[in-house]
Amino acid sequence: NAGVTQTPKFRILKIGQSMTLQCAQDMNHNYMYWYRQDPGMGLKLIYYSVGAGITDKGEVPNGYNVSRSTTEDFPLRLELAAPSQTSVYFCASSRNSYEQYFGPGTRLTVT
Amino acid sequence: GQQVMQIPQYQHVQEGEDFTTYCNSSTTLSNIQWYKQRPGGHPVFLIQLVKSGEVKKQKRLTFQFGEAKKNSSLHITATQTTDVGTYFCAVHLTGANSKLTFGKGITLSVRP
Repeated sequence: NAGVTQTPKFRILKIGQSMTLQCAQDMNHNYMYWYRQDPGMGLKLIYYSVGAGITDKGEVPNGYNVSRSTTEDFPLRLELAAPSQTSVYFCASSRNSYEQYFGPGTRLTVT
Repeated sequence: GQQVMQIPQYQHVQEGEDFTTYCNSSTTLSNIQWYKQRPGGHPVFLIQLVKSGEVKKQKRLTFQFGEAKKNSSLHITATQTTDVGTYFCAVHLTGANSKLTFGKGITLSVRP
Protein backbone atom coordinates (compact mmCIF):
# COMPACT_ATOMS: atom_id res chain seq x y z
CA ASN A 1 0.00 0.00 0.00
CA ALA A 2 1.20 3.51 -0.80
CA GLY A 3 -0.77 4.93 2.15
CA VAL A 4 -1.55 8.63 1.75
CA THR A 5 0.01 10.37 -1.23
CA GLN A 6 0.11 14.09 -1.95
CA THR A 7 1.09 16.04 -5.03
CA PRO A 8 2.87 18.29 -5.66
CA LYS A 9 5.63 18.25 -3.02
CA PHE A 10 6.51 21.89 -3.60
CA ARG A 11 4.80 24.76 -5.38
CA ILE A 12 5.31 28.49 -5.77
CA LEU A 13 2.24 30.52 -6.70
CA LYS A 14 1.80 34.14 -7.56
CA ILE A 15 -0.83 36.14 -5.70
CA GLY A 16 -4.22 35.61 -7.27
CA GLN A 17 -3.39 32.30 -8.96
CA SER A 18 -5.35 29.14 -8.27
CA MET A 19 -4.27 25.57 -7.77
CA THR A 20 -5.43 22.18 -6.56
CA LEU A 21 -3.51 20.12 -4.04
CA GLN A 22 -4.08 16.44 -4.67
CA CYS A 23 -4.51 13.81 -1.96
CA ALA A 24 -5.20 10.12 -2.39
CA GLN A 25 -5.29 7.14 -0.05
CA ASP A 26 -5.45 3.43 -0.85
CA MET A 27 -6.46 2.16 2.60
CA ASN A 28 -10.22 2.43 2.02
CA HIS A 29 -10.50 4.96 4.84
CA ASN A 30 -13.77 6.83 5.18
CA TYR A 31 -12.36 9.85 6.98
CA MET A 32 -10.03 12.32 5.29
CA TYR A 33 -8.62 15.64 6.46
CA TRP A 34 -6.70 18.67 5.26
CA TYR A 35 -4.43 20.55 7.66
CA ARG A 36 -2.10 23.46 7.32
CA GLN A 37 0.97 23.82 9.47
CA ASP A 38 2.66 27.14 10.16
CA PRO A 39 5.83 27.39 12.27
CA GLY A 40 5.10 27.08 15.98
CA MET A 41 1.36 26.87 15.39
CA GLY A 42 0.70 23.16 15.28
CA LEU A 43 -1.79 21.71 12.84
CA LYS A 44 -4.92 23.64 11.90
CA LEU A 45 -7.81 21.75 10.33
CA ILE A 46 -9.02 23.28 7.05
CA TYR A 47 -11.69 20.81 5.87
CA TYR A 48 -12.59 17.24 6.53
CA SER A 49 -14.78 14.51 5.10
CA VAL A 50 -16.43 11.51 6.77
CA GLY A 51 -17.21 9.79 3.49
CA ALA A 52 -17.66 10.23 -0.24
CA GLY A 53 -20.00 13.13 -0.98
CA ILE A 54 -19.73 14.60 2.53
CA THR A 55 -17.45 17.48 3.49
CA ASP A 56 -17.38 19.91 6.38
CA LYS A 57 -15.44 22.98 7.44
CA GLY A 58 -12.68 22.86 9.98
CA GLU A 59 -11.06 25.65 11.94
CA VAL A 60 -9.59 27.67 9.03
CA PRO A 61 -11.66 27.04 5.84
CA ASN A 62 -11.63 30.55 4.33
CA GLY A 63 -9.93 30.69 0.94
CA TYR A 64 -10.18 26.94 0.35
CA ASN A 65 -12.62 24.46 -1.13
CA VAL A 66 -12.77 20.68 -1.19
CA SER A 67 -14.69 17.90 -2.86
CA ARG A 68 -14.97 14.18 -2.13
CA SER A 69 -16.40 12.38 -5.13
CA THR A 70 -14.65 9.09 -4.32
CA THR A 71 -13.45 7.36 -1.16
CA GLU A 72 -9.85 7.54 -2.37
CA ASP A 73 -9.44 11.20 -3.36
CA PHE A 74 -9.80 14.44 -1.44
CA PRO A 75 -8.45 17.42 -3.42
CA LEU A 76 -8.02 20.86 -1.84
CA ARG A 77 -8.63 23.86 -4.06
CA LEU A 78 -7.06 27.29 -3.49
CA GLU A 79 -8.78 30.11 -5.34
CA LEU A 80 -7.10 33.51 -5.55
CA ALA A 81 -3.97 32.58 -3.62
CA ALA A 82 -2.79 35.03 -0.95
CA PRO A 83 0.54 35.29 0.92
CA SER A 84 -1.28 34.21 4.10
CA GLN A 85 -1.76 30.80 2.47
CA THR A 86 1.99 30.17 2.44
CA SER A 87 2.25 27.06 4.56
CA VAL A 88 2.84 23.33 4.61
CA TYR A 89 -0.32 21.39 3.81
CA PHE A 90 -0.91 17.88 5.09
CA CYS A 91 -3.61 15.48 4.06
CA ALA A 92 -4.55 12.66 6.43
CA SER A 93 -6.95 9.75 6.52
CA SER A 94 -8.34 7.45 9.16
CA ARG A 95 -10.59 4.42 9.31
CA ASN A 96 -12.71 5.39 12.27
CA SER A 97 -11.82 9.01 13.10
CA TYR A 98 -9.12 7.89 15.53
CA GLU A 99 -5.56 7.09 14.42
CA GLN A 100 -4.72 9.34 11.49
CA TYR A 101 -2.25 8.57 8.72
CA PHE A 102 -0.57 11.59 7.19
CA GLY A 103 0.76 12.20 3.71
CA PRO A 104 4.24 13.67 3.13
CA GLY A 105 2.92 17.22 2.73
CA THR A 106 2.96 19.99 0.15
CA ARG A 107 5.09 23.08 0.76
CA LEU A 108 3.34 26.06 -0.79
CA THR A 109 4.76 29.55 -1.17
CA VAL A 110 2.60 32.44 -2.39
CA THR A 111 4.51 35.52 -3.51
CA GLY B 1 -12.78 27.87 24.15
CA GLN B 2 -11.97 24.25 24.66
CA GLN B 3 -8.40 23.43 23.70
CA VAL B 4 -5.34 21.49 24.66
CA MET B 5 -2.19 23.12 25.96
CA GLN B 6 1.37 22.00 25.50
CA ILE B 7 3.92 24.14 27.29
CA PRO B 8 6.75 24.85 26.72
CA GLN B 9 7.05 24.82 22.93
CA TYR B 10 10.75 23.99 22.93
CA GLN B 11 13.00 21.93 25.14
CA HIS B 12 16.67 21.11 24.85
CA VAL B 13 18.23 18.15 26.64
CA GLN B 14 21.59 16.45 26.80
CA GLU B 15 21.69 13.01 25.26
CA GLY B 16 21.08 10.44 27.95
CA GLU B 17 18.87 12.72 30.08
CA ASP B 18 15.24 11.91 30.71
CA PHE B 19 12.52 14.11 29.25
CA THR B 20 8.90 14.61 30.24
CA THR B 21 6.25 16.72 28.59
CA TYR B 22 2.58 17.27 29.33
CA CYS B 23 -0.65 17.93 27.53
CA ASN B 24 -3.41 19.66 29.51
CA SER B 25 -7.10 20.21 28.92
CA SER B 26 -9.65 22.25 30.86
CA THR B 27 -12.31 19.61 30.19
CA THR B 28 -12.56 15.86 30.53
CA LEU B 29 -11.35 14.03 27.46
CA SER B 30 -12.69 10.83 25.91
CA ASN B 31 -9.24 9.88 24.71
CA ILE B 32 -5.91 11.39 23.75
CA GLN B 33 -3.45 10.63 20.99
CA TRP B 34 0.25 11.43 20.61
CA TYR B 35 2.04 12.03 17.34
CA LYS B 36 5.70 12.62 16.47
CA GLN B 37 6.95 14.73 13.60
CA ARG B 38 10.61 14.52 12.63
CA PRO B 39 12.20 17.68 11.18
CA GLY B 40 11.01 18.07 7.58
CA GLY B 41 8.65 15.12 7.94
CA HIS B 42 4.99 14.47 8.56
CA PRO B 43 3.21 13.60 11.82
CA VAL B 44 3.26 9.92 12.70
CA PHE B 45 0.83 8.34 15.15
CA LEU B 46 2.47 7.01 18.31
CA ILE B 47 -0.26 5.99 20.74
CA GLN B 48 -3.83 6.42 21.88
CA LEU B 49 -4.92 6.44 25.54
CA VAL B 50 -8.54 5.88 26.49
CA LYS B 51 -8.88 4.76 30.10
CA SER B 52 -8.39 6.85 33.22
CA GLY B 53 -4.87 6.36 34.59
CA GLU B 54 -3.84 4.27 31.58
CA VAL B 55 -0.10 3.76 31.06
CA LYS B 56 1.42 2.49 27.84
CA LYS B 57 5.06 1.93 26.98
CA GLN B 58 6.89 1.87 23.68
CA LYS B 59 10.55 1.01 24.29
CA ARG B 60 11.93 4.15 26.02
CA LEU B 61 8.67 6.12 25.70
CA THR B 62 6.03 5.99 28.44
CA PHE B 63 2.61 7.56 27.96
CA GLN B 64 0.13 8.17 30.74
CA PHE B 65 -3.46 9.41 30.85
CA GLY B 66 -4.38 11.32 33.99
CA GLU B 67 -6.85 9.92 36.50
CA ALA B 68 -9.30 12.74 35.74
CA LYS B 69 -8.72 12.34 31.98
CA LYS B 70 -7.77 16.00 31.69
CA ASN B 71 -4.07 15.61 31.07
CA SER B 72 -1.49 13.26 29.67
CA SER B 73 2.25 12.89 29.89
CA LEU B 74 4.97 11.58 27.60
CA HIS B 75 8.20 10.49 29.27
CA ILE B 76 11.33 9.54 27.35
CA THR B 77 14.01 7.65 29.25
CA ALA B 78 17.66 8.29 28.33
CA THR B 79 17.01 10.46 25.29
CA GLN B 80 18.82 9.74 22.07
CA THR B 81 19.41 11.90 19.00
CA THR B 82 16.75 9.82 17.23
CA ASP B 83 14.17 11.30 19.63
CA VAL B 84 14.57 14.74 18.03
CA GLY B 85 11.34 16.12 16.65
CA THR B 86 8.04 17.71 17.59
CA TYR B 87 5.60 15.80 19.77
CA PHE B 88 1.91 16.67 19.45
CA CYS B 89 -1.00 15.60 21.55
CA ALA B 90 -4.40 15.47 19.86
CA VAL B 91 -7.91 15.11 21.21
CA HIS B 92 -11.53 14.85 20.17
CA LEU B 93 -13.28 17.86 21.60
CA THR B 94 -16.82 17.59 22.96
CA GLY B 95 -19.31 17.04 20.15
CA ALA B 96 -16.56 16.68 17.54
CA ASN B 97 -15.85 12.97 17.33
CA SER B 98 -15.01 13.14 13.63
CA LYS B 99 -12.02 15.43 13.95
CA LEU B 100 -8.94 15.90 16.08
CA THR B 101 -7.73 19.09 17.70
CA PHE B 102 -3.96 19.24 17.97
CA GLY B 103 -1.88 20.97 20.58
CA LYS B 104 0.87 23.29 19.34
CA GLY B 105 3.46 20.64 20.07
CA ILE B 106 6.77 20.59 21.88
CA THR B 107 9.95 20.54 19.83
CA LEU B 108 12.68 18.46 21.43
CA SER B 109 16.33 18.92 20.58
CA VAL B 110 19.00 16.58 21.92
CA ARG B 111 22.63 17.60 22.35
CA PRO B 112 24.97 14.70 21.58
